[in-house]
Amino acid sequence: GESVGLHLPTLSVQEGDNSIINCAYSNSASDYFIWYKQESGKGPQFIIDIRSNMDKRQGQRVTVLLNKTVKHLSLQIAATQPGDSAVYFCAENIRGNQFYFGTGTSLTVIP
Amino acid sequence: NAGVTQTPKFQVLKTGQSMTLQCAQDMNHNSMYWYRQDPGMGLRLIYYSASEGTTDKGEVPNGYNVSRLNKREFSLRLESAAPSQTSVYFCASSAAIYEQYFGPGTRLTVT
Repeated sequence: GESVGLHLPTLSVQEGDNSIINCAYSNSASDYFIWYKQESGKGPQFIIDIRSNMDKRQGQRVTVLLNKTVKHLSLQIAATQPGDSAVYFCAENIRGNQFYFGTGTSLTVIP
Repeated sequence: NAGVTQTPKFQVLKTGQSMTLQCAQDMNHNSMYWYRQDPGMGLRLIYYSASEGTTDKGEVPNGYNVSRLNKREFSLRLESAAPSQTSVYFCASSAAIYEQYFGPGTRLTVT
């Protein structure tokens, strides 16, 4: 099946800096993507989504960019805070109810 | 509004034993899902139920069965547990095929 991969398994940033987490996908037919945040010992939590007819979508302190040409999406977190420390997953939907999840990037915010 | 709840939170089984993981949601969602999460791997879909009365296999269904008891409840059964089924199991629900809400997870160890 299709898989979603992440460029960097770990990322450390200083508090207040911006964070960028990357994700590559392999299926050009994928039409919908989601970013999730997972804190230690908890289930994944929805952050933001984007459809394939969009290049960019903004939320509160987060922005997702989609580059369909190179099959890449990124999650940008502005003014990163200690509470942003978590594992971040991208998920790709290619058919029906099925999503494929990446392995995750662990973000550590240094106070 | 509790969202998605799962029981039990932790479970230890011996090889060959059976058990059922319970999941319930109070958001009136049509679709429900069971995932497993293993170290270094993304979430993998075991089974899903697009609506009450229907269930479908996901990426890794072998060794599992599910029951969509009603709109609120979706259970996952291990008939004869194996060490390879040691994992963290997450239940999720969604209103459509998009944003999914996850429960807190069940940590299962099979010895």
